[in-house]
Amino acid sequence: DAGVTQSPTHLIKTRGQHVTLRCSPISGHKSVSWYQQVLGQGPQFIFQYYEKEERGRGNFPDRFSARQFPNYSSELNVNALLLGDSALYLCASSLGVAAGDSYGYTFGSGTRLTVV
Amino acid sequence: AQSVTQLDSHVSVSEGTPVLLRCNYSSSYSPSLFWYVQHPNKGLQLLLKYTSAATLVKGINGFEAEFKKSETSFHLTKPSAHMSDAAEYFCVVRGSNTGNQFYFGTGTSLTVIP
Repeated sequence: DAGVTQSPTHLIKTRGQHVTLRCSPISGHKSVSWYQQVLGQGPQFIFQYYEKEERGRGNFPDRFSARQFPNYSSELNVNALLLGDSALYLCASSLGVAAGDSYGYTFGSGTRLTVV
Repeated sequence: AQSVTQLDSHVSVSEGTPVLLRCNYSSSYSPSLFWYVQHPNKGLQLLLKYTSAATLVKGINGFEAEFKKSETSFHLTKPSAHMSDAAEYFCVVRGSNTGNQFYFGTGTSLTVIP
């Protein structure tokens, strides 16, 4: 069984550009969450989606947006990139919102974004 | 509000000796707590979870953690460290909002000396 897959694994962008990160959850998982992990820190919650609806939003500016598709895959979009957006972006999936509580989330390996 | 504090940013042990990674939590209700491990250039892997069942939780790779409400602690232990245990460890508490978000600690880097 494939785990949570994220693409691309690495990318480099210039300040002011836009980026789209993609995530495919484990088959059967309907909830996807996004986290930002800056070097040397723990992951910070950005968004959670369940059944294509936003269920939670962390303390991030409006430059960050996301969506979930009918097949439960998800995209994270970041506009007007800043140097401080350089981080590892992690996607996590779970069966449902409550299921994440009981079983924890399964995380992907992340997308390493470098903004120069 | 929920939060976790990992008391040590770095821990170094010799191979074959016990491991103790400390975590204190803050929660306004009965929390769900987790430990995740992150190896270099890898994603996060769930080690174990506490969800108000047994207070002593056993996880993968010989790790276990004990939930102590009186001390608001959830320390991670292993009787004998292995070289492959060298990694970053995160203590996590689940939020109470409908988004079910996780709050991560700042992490503890474990070094195992041969």
